[in-house]
Amino acid sequence: DGGITQSPKYLFRKEGQNVTLSCEQNLNHDAMYWYRQDPGQGLRLIYYSQIVNDFQKGDIAEGYSVSREKKESFPLTVTSAQKNPTAFYLCASSIDLSTGELFFGEGSRLTVL
Amino acid sequence: DAKTTQPTSMDCAEGRAANLPCNHSTISGNEYVYWYRQIHSQGPQYIIHGLKNNETNEMASLIITEDRKSSTLILPHATLRDTAVYYCIVRLWNSGNTPLVFGKGTRLSVIA
Repeated sequence: DGGITQSPKYLFRKEGQNVTLSCEQNLNHDAMYWYRQDPGQGLRLIYYSQIVNDFQKGDIAEGYSVSREKKESFPLTVTSAQKNPTAFYLCASSIDLSTGELFFGEGSRLTVL
Repeated sequence: DAKTTQPTSMDCAEGRAANLPCNHSTISGNEYVYWYRQIHSQGPQYIIHGLKNNETNEMASLIITEDRKSSTLILPHATLRDTAVYYCIVRLWNSGNTPLVFGKGTRLSVIA
């Protein structure tokens, strides 16, 4: 089935460790996105990419890094510089950046101990 | 993109229609209204979008007022599985480098 796969679903890490969250899509979409969600809040945009080897910072990019070496993959690294990394992370994709119809993965819940 | 205002929460009896309002009084002529929903601990799901005409699909209907300053998402026969947070988003079509901005949405509770 076509869709977006995020892994892992749950992740626990010690403070100060870098963490990489995986996001893979087989929808042949050009655009991919990472959002962060805190309890009771809306989604905040971390990074987005409209094409391979290109990505742009969103509203809260500090402490995060991404890469887009393949069309299907858009991994997010939560670095030790991110002061409050415990959150629910959502990856999405769309045909391109112009459409408002995004397809989301199931999310990755990161807890930093 | 124009700002939207939604109630924080709503209740609906199972089997009845759920009518979720959204105000977007500063919407411009080429901005679309999008609706998404997010079931607890899952990723958001696209529901429907429209410009000025009413729209209907297998999930819901979208009613946009003639002046386009507000809209209503209608779930005709709500079930317990429709319990979710519903987001109303206004966005320019083909707006280039501006991904969707999600607010806090409306938490809909469908009650048996």
